[in-house]
Amino acid sequence: DQQVKQNSPSLSVQEGRISILNCDYTNSMFDYFLWYKKYPAEGPTFLISISSIKDKNEDGRFTVFLNKSAKHLSLHIVPSQPGDSAVYFCAASARSSASKIIFGSGTRLSIRP
Amino acid sequence: NAGVTQTPKFRVLKTGQSMTLLCAQDMNHEYMYWYRQDPGMGLRLIHYSVGEGTTAKGEVPDGYNVSRLKKQNFLLGLESAAPSQTSVYFCASTDPGQGNSPLHFGNGTRLTVT
Repeated sequence: DQQVKQNSPSLSVQEGRISILNCDYTNSMFDYFLWYKKYPAEGPTFLISISSIKDKNEDGRFTVFLNKSAKHLSLHIVPSQPGDSAVYFCAASARSSASKIIFGSGTRLSIRP
Repeated sequence: NAGVTQTPKFRVLKTGQSMTLLCAQDMNHEYMYWYRQDPGMGLRLIHYSVGEGTTAKGEVPDGYNVSRLKKQNFLLGLESAAPSQTSVYFCASTDPGQGNSPLHFGNGTRLTVT
């Protein structure tokens, strides 16, 4: 039973446009959410996070939105750049078990010229 | 600053063989994790540790054992490798003292079991 779901395995976006990556979760105890970016042959690297007390967090071209009632979060990248081509993982944890961090299956983002 | 280092980077095993994957971190992090990455499955948590001498099961612990004898090292063992354990293994660490600090990952170990 996947607690964190990324239903789109891949996404292709034109350079300069907005990329929107989606993530759904089922565990209502999750209260902290993160996005990681992964290039081939490297480990994932942290991109941006959001706590459940917020509904939006912004860092440069990256914005994460959280809709707690829908148990849904999304990552917006604008404008998209060629270097953004990577696999993006959504992750979640609960304060009650902050050590246990659960990841989604990932979305491969391709930025086309 | 090395961060999280995994050895080896690649390994091929025959079914039934055993091996140990080593993870070392130099950031004095309390928590350490082992994940496996498979196509379409994302990153799945195998085992984790919240401190020296402690370990706990994650989502997919069967067939693996771990040890955290020293704070900086987290070992993942396969006693009798199976083809289903062909995967890329990632180690990660974080420090709970910094609030919700993100995970720092190593570059992975690609394991093939034939």
